[in-house]
Amino acid sequence: TQLLEQSPQFLSIQEGENLTVYCNSSSVFSSLQWYRQEPGEGPVLLVTVVTGGEVKKLKRLTFQFGDARKDSSLHITAAQPGDTGLYLCAGAGAGGTSYGKLTFGQGTILTVHP
Amino acid sequence: NAGVTQTPKFQVLKTGQSMTLQCAQDMNHNSMYWYRQDPGMGLRLIYYSASEGTTDKGEVPNGYNVSRLNKREFSLRLESAAPSQTSVYFCASSEASAAFNYGYTFGSGTRLTVV
Repeated sequence: TQLLEQSPQFLSIQEGENLTVYCNSSSVFSSLQWYRQEPGEGPVLLVTVVTGGEVKKLKRLTFQFGDARKDSSLHITAAQPGDTGLYLCAGAGAGGTSYGKLTFGQGTILTVHP
Repeated sequence: NAGVTQTPKFQVLKTGQSMTLQCAQDMNHNSMYWYRQDPGMGLRLIYYSASEGTTDKGEVPNGYNVSRLNKREFSLRLESAAPSQTSVYFCASSEASAAFNYGYTFGSGTRLTVV
């Protein structure tokens, strides 16, 4: 069973601060995705990273996939109240039989105070 | 732009009752999934369907059954509900192949309470 450990579980910061969320595993993933979920809604895909060492930017959000494809990070610069939500990382298994199955981390609840 | 539609949005069941959660997608995706979300545990895969006509167990399948009715629809059935099945259930679809996941589109969830 592949496990993804996400940290921290909770993050409460002031508007304008920077933050980083980590996603770690002992397993290798063929790709890793980050989702954002708001209360009462389903998760929404933010990004997919595929190549070890890959860095993707989405406005103030920077996503990195570890060189060994076992870990990832999400960095938010100058956080805004609109960034508040649950952030989930999810890994797709390496190998040819994953059929798109994802393993999710426990999630990070981010609260950005005005 | 419907995407993935789940019904019902809320449900309260008594222990031992049965019910079916419905899910439909209009994106012509091959793969569909059922997850449950519990506090502090992320999302756990119950069942998935890689393509029409196939279903397979995920991480937590006990107490559930599924039916892939056609390419659009994937239902989840609780035959005899238990309090441990109180959770938020999400259906998702994806244009996934055996080797790669292109990202899930999720429904808005069904909040189920078993008393």
